[in-house]
Amino acid sequence: DTEVTQTPKHLVMGMTNKKSLKCEQHMGHRAMYWYKQKAKKPPELMFVYSYEKLSINESVPSRFSPECPNSSLLNLHLHALQPEDSALYLCASSQAIRLYEQYFGPGTRLTVT
Amino acid sequence: GIQVEQSPPDLILQEGANSTLRCNFSDSVNNLQWFHQNPWGQLINLFYIPSGTKQNGRLSATTVATERYSLLYISSSQTTDSGVYFCAVNSQGGSEKLVFGKGTKLTVNP
Repeated sequence: DTEVTQTPKHLVMGMTNKKSLKCEQHMGHRAMYWYKQKAKKPPELMFVYSYEKLSINESVPSRFSPECPNSSLLNLHLHALQPEDSALYLCASSQAIRLYEQYFGPGTRLTVT
Repeated sequence: GIQVEQSPPDLILQEGANSTLRCNFSDSVNNLQWFHQNPWGQLINLFYIPSGTKQNGRLSATTVATERYSLLYISSSQTTDSGVYFCAVNSQGGSEKLVFGKGTKLTVNP
């Protein structure tokens, strides 16, 4: 099974709301990733967790706050977002970082109003 | 950082035609993946191919690591092959970051 699940599929939120995106994998992978994808652009890396520790933060604004409560779960907490943050948010996992194939979830399509 | 260039940017085919998509990269890599992004946004793994040749049904891929390019072949294309094809690499000397090319948008007409 190479499945990564993400919830919710769609999210509409106001600029003053607080919401969370969730990602789950049961493949025993120890690396998990958040990517952001704008329309007609490739995915861009936001965060990497390796063995539940934050390994990479690609200078993402603090209104995005990642959390890795255990090796199977990855959350992205959202607060005070801007309309330009509207995008497809993709979660991925791999056995470990660098040398291993990444598997992507179906994404959460976020609209900030 | 590593640069990834994909060509062509757009490709329109009739059903049944064959095509070749190209990915050039500027540095040695230890990870190269091809993905198909369907119209709903799902990124589907096609190949993990840092070097060599692989085949999966109508699709095959070749990476010539020494010359820093990879090719994705699609034979007997079907309308369901439509979407965007991304090449993504991880540099040998770089960080853990997977860097994506800009993609090739494929449209297969019936």
